[in-house]
Amino acid sequence: NAGVTQTPKFQVLKTGQSMTLQCAQDMNHNSMYWYRQDPGMGLRLIYYSASEGTTDKGEVPNGYNVSRLNKREFSLRLESAAPSQTSVYFCASSFVRQQNTEAFFGQGTRLTVV
Amino acid sequence: DAKTTQPNSMESNEEEPVHLPCNHSTISGTDYIHWYRQLPSQGPEYVIHGLTSNVNNRMASLAIAEDRKSSTLILHRATLRDAAVYYCILRDGLSSGGSNYKLTFGKGTLLTVNP
Repeated sequence: NAGVTQTPKFQVLKTGQSMTLQCAQDMNHNSMYWYRQDPGMGLRLIYYSASEGTTDKGEVPNGYNVSRLNKREFSLRLESAAPSQTSVYFCASSFVRQQNTEAFFGQGTRLTVV
Repeated sequence: DAKTTQPNSMESNEEEPVHLPCNHSTISGTDYIHWYRQLPSQGPEYVIHGLTSNVNNRMASLAIAEDRKSSTLILHRATLRDAAVYYCILRDGLSSGGSNYKLTFGKGTLLTVNP
């Protein structure tokens, strides 16, 4: 049981380049999330998807786009990377409409924009 | 969103109990209290959750105040592997009226375990 899988694990981009972070879960969860974590900080929600076909902005959506490709996959795209987007990105999944169930997180993608 | 307040850091000795406090004075009646922890260089992992009653599982215990405005995560015997950042989080889901569920993280408590 793989849980939540993120690819790539590490990435270095030049300012202005674009890339897509991939996330897949195999737990049949309804909802999926993208967070970023800057050094010494907690996680901040970028975008989330309550169910297949829906996406919503979180706390820090500027500079990002997302696609809920199907129930399993939720991708995060940086169209024109900036140094301020250097961070560790975490994908998570959970069941929606159930407050008493846990969320599962991937191992993170460490992105550096130079 | 209801907020939580935790100490920035705490220190413990190996094999001693650890009590990690969390204040959530603006909690709503339907908010669940969740605890997650994040080991170095890893994603967060679920520890425990509760609504009103105290809860126990293989990892920890959760003590919830009668007025639900505070809670305490209890690690009964700390090990070096318990050194992590611990996050106390309130579920923001159905109470907001939407079909979404958000986990809003604060900075958490950095737990150091001394050998």
